[in-house]
Amino acid sequence: DQQVKQNSPSLSVQEGRISILNCDYTNSMFDYFLWYKKYPAEGPTFLISISSIKDKNEDGRFTVFLNKSAKHLSLHIVPSQPGDSAVYFCAASVPVNTGFQKLVFGTGTRLLVSP
Amino acid sequence: EPEVTQTPSHQVTQMGQEVILRCVPISNHLYFYWYRQILGQKVEFLVSFYNNEISEKSEIFDDQFSVERPDGSNFTLKIRSTKLEDSAMYFCASSLGQVNTEAFFGQGTRLTVV
Repeated sequence: DQQVKQNSPSLSVQEGRISILNCDYTNSMFDYFLWYKKYPAEGPTFLISISSIKDKNEDGRFTVFLNKSAKHLSLHIVPSQPGDSAVYFCAASVPVNTGFQKLVFGTGTRLLVSP
Repeated sequence: EPEVTQTPSHQVTQMGQEVILRCVPISNHLYFYWYRQILGQKVEFLVSFYNNEISEKSEIFDDQFSVERPDGSNFTLKIRSTKLEDSAMYFCASSLGQVNTEAFFGQGTRLTVV
């Protein structure tokens, strides 16, 4: 049951260019979306989030776009830097019966930014 | 910067043995979670914990699993009788808010069951 899908397992981009990572979801109950970055042997690190009432959120080089009608979100990194090379996870939050959230993760996209 | 810390970083155990994975969440956070990632698969929710009780658990979190906050700072995950398929990275996370707030993850414990 893949409620959150990242269809591109990998992406290669040159330094200075834009990286666009995509994520699709199927559950219309998701109301909060997050992007995490993960380096090998480390835990996921929070990058940026967006509430379902917005369609864009920007933080420095990172911008997340949400298209609710298409159930699609994307992460733009401009300009890309070699230090951005990592696995990026899209996650969606669903409120559960008890009122708490749980995160549903995509399978990740490995980004490689070359100098 | 405050962070979630997990110990040990790597645990090897024999099948059928009990293991306890330990976590120290960020000090002012109130909501605690365990997730796991089997090699090559996605990160999966196991359990959430608030006010000294489980608030939500997944179908993975069966009777072999338990969580505890024994002393107000540590948050532990116990697997009573480990199986080969329990081998995975286990991530602890904590958050300040109840909903629509980011969860901060620890660096993970790699559990290998042999």
